[in-house]
Amino acid sequence: AQKVTQAQTEISVVEKEDVTLDCVYETRDTTYYLFWYKQPPSGELVFLIRRNSFDEQNEISGRYSWNFQKSTSSFNFTITASQVVDSAVYFCALIPAVTGGGNKLTFGTGTQLKVEL
Amino acid sequence: GAGVSQSPSNKVTEKGKDVELRCDPISGHTALYWYRQSLGQGLEFLIYFQGNSAPDKSGLPSDRFSAERTGGSVSTLTIQRTQQEDSAVYLCASSLAGQGIETQYFGPGTRLLVL
Repeated sequence: AQKVTQAQTEISVVEKEDVTLDCVYETRDTTYYLFWYKQPPSGELVFLIRRNSFDEQNEISGRYSWNFQKSTSSFNFTITASQVVDSAVYFCALIPAVTGGGNKLTFGTGTQLKVEL
Repeated sequence: GAGVSQSPSNKVTEKGKDVELRCDPISGHTALYWYRQSLGQGLEFLIYFQGNSAPDKSGLPSDRFSAERTGGSVSTLTIQRTQQEDSAVYLCASSLAGQGIETQYFGPGTRLLVL
């Protein structure tokens, strides 16, 4: 079975601060995919990024960056110079790439990020 | 292009009534998923359709829940004899059907409240 842990329930920062959202995962599968989704107050889950387990290269997209470390089973997400529009719930999720395993996302419990002026 | 659409956006029903929730996937996406988001259980998988294959129903919580997908496109999630614990946001997602794991794109959800 898979498990995704987002220990930070809620984080509050002031605009322009950097913030890191933690994600730790558990899986017995050697091949798997990790995802981050953003859920703004409107409720829709917005896809941000996916990584496969063989690609540990960190990625940067604008103010967003992701740090994937297999050694610690972590896939952390950093927002640089946060903005009020970044306020949302952020979910980390995992899918094992196993034959017959389906395509089911296992989600963490989410981290509520509040960015204040 | 249009994203995943769901209807209704909100539904209030009385305990014991049946409800139908609809999902329209992204055009060209052959895989469709239903998830449920509730305060107590977080985001949990319900059911998965892939092309003409038998659906993966392993996440359905009880036999009161069922889903179908007509013509490989629109899907309907039906909850019979609703209970108060069924109150949640029901999210639909769709994806391409590639050789590996495809990214799932979500709709806005249907907020169901059972009184």
